[in-house]
Amino acid sequence: GAGVSQTPSNKVTEKGKYVELRCDPISGHTALYWYRQSLGQGPEFLIYFQGTGAADDSGLPNDRFFAVRPEGSVSTLKIQRTERGDSAVYLCASSLTGGQGPGELFFGEGSRLTVL
Amino acid sequence: DQQVKQNSPSLSVQEGRISILNCDYTNSMFDYFLWYKKYPAEGPTFLISISSIKDKNEDGRFTVFLNKSAKHLSLHIVPSQPGDSAVYFCAASARDDKIIFGKGTRLHILP
Repeated sequence: GAGVSQTPSNKVTEKGKYVELRCDPISGHTALYWYRQSLGQGPEFLIYFQGTGAADDSGLPNDRFFAVRPEGSVSTLKIQRTERGDSAVYLCASSLTGGQGPGELFFGEGSRLTVL
Repeated sequence: DQQVKQNSPSLSVQEGRISILNCDYTNSMFDYFLWYKKYPAEGPTFLISISSIKDKNEDGRFTVFLNKSAKHLSLHIVPSQPGDSAVYFCAASARDDKIIFGKGTRLHILP
């Protein structure tokens, strides 16, 4: 596709349920990032993939959060036993280079998660 | 611990005047800095960046200034236009590391 695609755009779930959020990056982009943005805050780093492997998962808040990118393209962020505090917009971004330099992150529109 | 700080939550500027958005950082390992712009219900979009080997980068109406000794950078928009009304995020990274974002500054361009 032309840009980063995230599905679903909106997800409402009940406390304790399991949720999966999908990200389809720009074709050919090797790096893929997940961020979380709460109201009034900036994007908060969660995890970064270079190819299939997680290069840095230091931002995942706890073991309820997990992300995969099995074929080095599409990624899925998985949240177990959701809590109300998980409510946020989950942003995915991809980039052509491994980190920075002349490349930059291209963001999707985000998946808004609401945990009731 | 906020490594990238944008201390002004909002800023209002008259159309046609200069908008100056400020950003401070604490991590001396940061060597690449970016500004992103975000409209409601959209993802952030890249605006301009600067490497730590430079102190200024200009792209059309947008200029970013970097003061490494003060660990400070600023984004200048001149002249400001109505379409510039958005939230602006400052971001930074150390070599080959994750990109850290500030909390953002909401810019209002007044007619």
